Amino acid sequence: QVQLVQSGAEVKRPGSSVKVSCKASGVTFSNYIISWVRQAPGQGLEWMGRIIPLLGIANYAQNFQSRVTITADKSASTAYMELTSLTSEDTAVYYCAGDPRSVVNAFDPWGQGTLVTVSS
Amino acid sequence: QSALTQPPSASGSPGQSVTISCTGTSSDVGGYNYVSWYQQHPGKAPKLMIYEVSKRPSGVPDRFSGSKSGNTASLTVSGLQAEDEADYYCSSYAGTNSLFGTGTKVTVL
Repeated sequence: QVQLVQSGAEVKRPGSSVKVSCKASGVTFSNYIISWVRQAPGQGLEWMGRIIPLLGIANYAQNFQSRVTITADKSASTAYMELTSLTSEDTAVYYCAGDPRSVVNAFDPWGQGTLVTVSS
Repeated sequence: QSALTQPPSASGSPGQSVTISCTGTSSDVGGYNYVSWYQQHPGKAPKLMIYEVSKRPSGVPDRFSGSKSGNTASLTVSGLQAEDEADYYCSSYAGTNSLFGTGTKVTVL
């Protein structure tokens, strides 16, 4: 069974950073592109960026370009998303989503989500 | 790049059909046949319902269908059922990026 399992909830102070992990099982990790999507409370989905683990190439949404870094460890079948300079507006559920390399922009499966709360 | 535009809400009675629009530009929806649709129930992760404009993943009922004309994509849910009540989001490839729509809450009356 294809699964993406994310790390647990985090509480962070404003100005700090957070790093969320996303471990794949039941799939050949290199056959997927991993995207990160966030959802603020009561709001819609926002695409943050993606990585091609096979190549180690990442690209980012303009809104996050300067603050987000997405990496992947092929040996551990795990992708990571680090967001810096956190503010209260970064409080959200962060999802990773797999995008099979055989199709484009078809996010399936999704991780269970990681709640990041930014509060002083 | 801005989010794709969806109507905030849509509704229909059981058995009826509802259609949700998703409007972008020639740089995203109109430029690629890579539009997908997601269903999200409260507190749950989104679920892929349609990809590449009109293809259904295995397990998605054929009551769900997708189409595209110009810069606007559409999702139609036919034969509405109570379990279809959820938020729906479109997404489009946009070159190096992807975009999501603003979301539509579907209510089954």
